Amino acid sequence: GQQLNQSPQSMFIQEGEDVSMNCTSSSIFNTWLWYKQDPGEGPVLLIALYKAGELTSNGRLTAQFGITRKDSFLNISASIPSDVGIYFCAGREGSQGNLIFGKGTKLSVKP
Amino acid sequence: NAGVTQTPKFQVLKTGQSMTLQCAQDMNHEYMSWYRQDPGMGLRLIHYSVGAGITDQGEVPNGYNVSRSTTEDFPLRLLSAAPSQTSVYFCASRKEYTQETQYFGPGTRLLVL
Repeated sequence: GQQLNQSPQSMFIQEGEDVSMNCTSSSIFNTWLWYKQDPGEGPVLLIALYKAGELTSNGRLTAQFGITRKDSFLNISASIPSDVGIYFCAGREGSQGNLIFGKGTKLSVKP
Repeated sequence: NAGVTQTPKFQVLKTGQSMTLQCAQDMNHEYMSWYRQDPGMGLRLIHYSVGAGITDQGEVPNGYNVSRSTTEDFPLRLLSAAPSQTSVYFCASRKEYTQETQYFGPGTRLLVL
């Protein structure tokens, strides 16, 4: 089935560093979502994007809906140990239909 | 609102056994879905439903059945469990025909021996 290309697959960073990850698709999406999954838990929504070019922040997290509508970026500033987890992007072509998920970026933060 | 709930949290089965994973939501969401999560594979869609009485297959439906008799509940059935079905299963829901986001349950960890 169709999948998003999410990169990097994993990251090992020092506390206080900034983090960037992205997703690209061959399809044009109307919705981009970013989720975080803590160990042993279900994914939790971080940021939702609905318009091309949209830039949205949630605390230290900032996500952008790419102008081409085929990509999205998530940045985390000044990382802290509780940022550890797996980050997933997801996209959808319309207001109905299934979400397509990236394979995730596993983030590790050294104190 | 309890959101999306799943039971059981953990389950061990022997090959060939059957079981039902329960999922319920109290947000009056039309759309409900089941995913499985395996290392390095991300979230793969098993089955989904856009309303009571309507179900459809996702990316990896083989070995699983679903039904949607009510808006609130969307059980996933394994008729004859296989070791390849060892995974973490997530249920999710959202309102359909809107841009509202999708919410996940806490997951069921299944081990098939």
